Amino acid sequence: GIQVEQSPPDLILQEGANSTLRCNFSDSVNNLQWFHQNPWGQLINLFYIPSGTKQNGRLSATTVATERYSLLYISSSQTTDSGVYFCAVGPNFGNEKLTFGTGTRLTIIP
Amino acid sequence: NAGVMQNPRHLVRRRGQEARLRCSPMKGHSHVYWYRQLPEEGLKFMVYLQKENIIDESGMPKERFSAEFPKEGPSILRIQQVVRGDSAAYFCASSPPVQAYNEQFFGPGTRLTVL
Repeated sequence: GIQVEQSPPDLILQEGANSTLRCNFSDSVNNLQWFHQNPWGQLINLFYIPSGTKQNGRLSATTVATERYSLLYISSSQTTDSGVYFCAVGPNFGNEKLTFGTGTRLTIIP
Repeated sequence: NAGVMQNPRHLVRRRGQEARLRCSPMKGHSHVYWYRQLPEEGLKFMVYLQKENIIDESGMPKERFSAEFPKEGPSILRIQQVVRGDSAAYFCASSPPVQAYNEQFFGPGTRLTVL
């Protein structure tokens, strides 16, 4: 099956810093989503981005499907950004299950 | 616009009991997925259902686990004779019936603890 790798596994930053999270995947995809799992365990949809670039406030994401990677950018980090960020992909054609990466744990220090 | 709803949010069972987890998809969504998250791990796919049909159950353990999505009512994930290793967060997701747009939206999860 498709493999998904995220880096870095852990990231500790001061409030106000910027960060870039990376997601590599091993095969063509027709679905790629970024999620934030907050400290209470809730999964929040950030982006649905199988290709291209999107922005939402301080967050933006870019997926280069031909090179099989996606990047999530967080600017001017706030303590509420802390949590685990997951990338999940769905394969190109066929079933629609998502395969999740192992996540990046982000800790923002005040 | 209600999101994906799951209940109960927390469930405690003793070894050997049955656990029933419920999921109501977002309005207009006809595809339901169940995922399991073990402590400190990512989510793992279990099963994908449409109304009255199991489409893909490749991630479901062969024994003790079953899922359904009846014509009326919520989707149910059933775990019989629970063991301590079943302790996890179980998430349900739904997506719209549009092939070209298959974003999945997740519920708050059910945290199962087996004593």
